Amino acid sequence: DQQVKQNSPSLSVQEGRISILNCDYTNSMFDYFLWYKKYPAEGPTFLISISSIKDKNEDGRFTVFLNKSAKHLSLHIVPSQPGDSAVYFCAASGVGGGADGLTFGKGTHLIIQP
Amino acid sequence: NAGVTQTPKFRILKIGQSMTLQCAQDMNHNYMYWYRQDPGMGLKLIYYSVGAGITDKGEVPNGYNVSRSTTEDFPLRLELAAPSQTSVYFCASSAGTGYEQYFGPGTRLTVT
Repeated sequence: DQQVKQNSPSLSVQEGRISILNCDYTNSMFDYFLWYKKYPAEGPTFLISISSIKDKNEDGRFTVFLNKSAKHLSLHIVPSQPGDSAVYFCAASGVGGGADGLTFGKGTHLIIQP
Repeated sequence: NAGVTQTPKFRILKIGQSMTLQCAQDMNHNYMYWYRQDPGMGLKLIYYSVGAGITDKGEVPNGYNVSRSTTEDFPLRLELAAPSQTSVYFCASSAGTGYEQYFGPGTRLTVT
């Protein structure tokens, strides 16, 4: 039973446009959410996170939005650049703040078209 | 600053063989984790540790063992390798609750 779902296996976006990656979760005990970016043959790298007490967090070109009532979060990348082509994982942790590990979605492969 | 390092990068094992995947971090993080990633899937937690001498099971611990004798090192042991353990293994560390996890480059393991 997947507790973190990324329903789009892939997404293609033109360079310079906005990329929107979506993530849904089912466990209402999750209170900390993270996005990771992964290139082939490398480990995931941390992008941005959001606590459940917030509904938006911004860091440069990356913004994460959290809708707790809908159990939905999204990652916006503006403007999209060729180096953004990668697999993006949504992850969540419970009340322990991640001490007992993260629960990951299956990932969305973002392809930025020139 | 090396961050999280993992060895080996690649390994092929025969069914029934044993091996240890090494993980080390130089960030003085108390929390360390082992995940596995199967093709087309997200990462799943195998074991984790919140400090030297303390380990606990994650979502998929069967067939694995860990130890944490120092803050820096968190090795993962496979005792009797099975084809179902073919996967990419990632080690991660974190400064504590509410902090992001830093990942190593992974070990690609094939069991045939």
